[in-house]
Amino acid sequence: NAGVTQTPKFRVLKTGQSMTLLCAQDMNHEYMYWYRQDPGMGLRLIHYSVGEGTTAKGEVPDGYNVSRLKKQNFLLGLESAAPSQTSVYFCATSRGQGQYFGPGTRLTVT
Amino acid sequence: AQTVTQSQPEMSVQEAETVTLSCTYDTSESDYYLFWYKQPPSRQMILVIRQEAYKQQNATENRFSVNFQKAAKSFSLKISDSQLGDAAMYFCAYRSAAGGSEKLVFGKGTKLTVNP
Repeated sequence: NAGVTQTPKFRVLKTGQSMTLLCAQDMNHEYMYWYRQDPGMGLRLIHYSVGEGTTAKGEVPDGYNVSRLKKQNFLLGLESAAPSQTSVYFCATSRGQGQYFGPGTRLTVT
Repeated sequence: AQTVTQSQPEMSVQEAETVTLSCTYDTSESDYYLFWYKQPPSRQMILVIRQEAYKQQNATENRFSVNFQKAAKSFSLKISDSQLGDAAMYFCAYRSAAGGSEKLVFGKGTKLTVNP
């Protein structure tokens, strides 16, 4: 089992460019989450999903969109990247016992 | 809204000794879960230990144990016989038992250094 995977692992964008981060899980978990991690800030929730076809806003949703068309995939989109979105992005899944995290994506916006 | 506070940005310990990381939280709920996550330099987030608020007994996982004080809203992590591999960022997290989303609220983390 791969667990939770994220694609890509690293990416550099220019201001105004768009991109999509993919999170995939093979654990059959209902709940999925996107967090960003910035130095000294811990992890902050961007968006989450409680099941296929559902999404909801977290603590810091502005500038991001998400989709959960399939249970195993959760996509995070940046329509027009800004330097403030330079961060490490983590996907996580859960089903009652605590969250399981992907390896993270380091995104730099110049 | 719930908040989680880790008051020690950095801690250090000698190999084989014991260290305690502090965490306090603020909530008006009576039923919730608390977690400690470890993030080594590899960046991977690893679940260390989990505590249900309705359980009075403190959780233990090998060399890791917690001191859960519900009335004081305190949830500290004790690492015994510290090893070099314990060096990492440690995050305390809170999850409400209500609502069904299982969202986590994280503290800002404590960086643990283990000295040989």
